[in-house]
Amino acid sequence: DVQLVESGGGLVQPGGSLRLSCAASGFTFSDHYMDWVRQVPGKGLEWVGRSRNNRHSYTTEYAASVKGRFIISRDDSKNSLYLQMNSLKTEDTAVYYCTRGRREDPDGDFDYWGQGTPVTVSS
Amino acid sequence: DIQLTQSPSSLSASVGDRVTITCRASQAIRHDLGWCQQKPGKAPKRLIYGASTLQSGVPSRFSGSGSGTEFTLTINSLQPEDFATYYCLHYNSYPLTFGGGTKVEIK
Repeated sequence: DVQLVESGGGLVQPGGSLRLSCAASGFTFSDHYMDWVRQVPGKGLEWVGRSRNNRHSYTTEYAASVKGRFIISRDDSKNSLYLQMNSLKTEDTAVYYCTRGRREDPDGDFDYWGQGTPVTVSS
Repeated sequence: DIQLTQSPSSLSASVGDRVTITCRASQAIRHDLGWCQQKPGKAPKRLIYGASTLQSGVPSRFSGSGSGTEFTLTINSLQPEDFATYYCLHYNSYPLTFGGGTKVEIK
């Protein structure tokens, strides 16, 4: 079974940094794009960014709201996805979800989600 | 950026009702649209992809239709476990975006 387990969330001060991890199992991780999606408590879903697969050289895409501050990386040998969050702002407070993306067919996007890890940015 | 506008933002319905939720895209996105269901305190779960293809394991009372800029999610014979928030999402171009959500509540 496909499993995605996020970790690393917590309380951080504005301007600080945090690194989230997503441990994947049950599928060939290197074949898939992977995404981060966040949700402010009580609000809707916001796509944060994407790591493409090895065929596409692990290139990344980001939402404008996080570009230049957040970095997505992955370690296929560990079946893990990461989100390095720098220069954090109070508006980055949210639950962060790891989601599985396509291999090649776009219809594969967002088919599995982790349980989420909460991040609170506050002084 | 492609904006997705869902309507209504909330609705009240009874068990057994038919419910229809609409998602309008600000630009044509072919069939590059999915629907997710989220229950309180839980992660979203994909129900439909490619605008109309049911995810494996999802009950057949859920259906999706549309292409281009206008899409609908229909739930036939609403069940107690269907009370949740529903989101449309597109994967046509970057940035990927979600609709604002539709909360389906018990009447």
